[in-house]
Amino acid sequence: GAVVSQHPSRVICKSGTSVKIECRSLDFQATTMFWYRQFPKQSLMLMATSNEGSKATYEQGVEKDKFLINHASLTLSTLTVTSAHPEDSSFYICSASSERLAGVTDTQYFGPGTRLTVL
Amino acid sequence: QKEVEQNSGPLSVPEGAIASLNCTYSDRVSQSFFWYRQYSGKSPELIMSIYSNGDKEDGRFTAQLNKASQYVSLLIRDSQPSDSATYLCAPNFGNEKLTFGTGTRLTIIP
Repeated sequence: GAVVSQHPSRVICKSGTSVKIECRSLDFQATTMFWYRQFPKQSLMLMATSNEGSKATYEQGVEKDKFLINHASLTLSTLTVTSAHPEDSSFYICSASSERLAGVTDTQYFGPGTRLTVL
Repeated sequence: QKEVEQNSGPLSVPEGAIASLNCTYSDRVSQSFFWYRQYSGKSPELIMSIYSNGDKEDGRFTAQLNKASQYVSLLIRDSQPSDSATYLCAPNFGNEKLTFGTGTRLTIIP
């Protein structure tokens, strides 16, 4: 159980275009989803936290107008990188947690990640 | 100011030996602690969670927590080459978010 998927796994786009990444919890309802970014040889950096039906909470320094997050249902959250530039190239990873999952409220289960390359 | 400290390594351990990974965290109210394993180019995978002081065992893995010392560790017994990865310590400081350490790169030498 506790499987999280992401799509696409890899995307290459031109500078100035927008890219949408989907994160789905396949076998549980995720009350909270998280979006991380990881640059090579660095640790995970939390970008934002989203709860179903409410606006995402962004970490300091993360531009909410550039990284649009939608959490429309308990199994789906999307991250849209708008007007992407080469410096946005990174490994984007989502995770999900559930209040109802095995009685543990804060365990995060990660998706496989999306590698974004902006040319 | 770092809130989670891990030795970045690399830590090299012979196959079959015990690998010991350590993590210290800053003085905050920490309720739960997680260890994740991350293979190169892949996303993190949950290994263990621990909530109470003491030891918690799961197969070849043992997590040890000492809240008074602000210290959590992960022991891997009978280390295998497939255990070679980066291990991330992630405390929850009480706000549903995890704070990740920079990770310890572990290499198991056959």
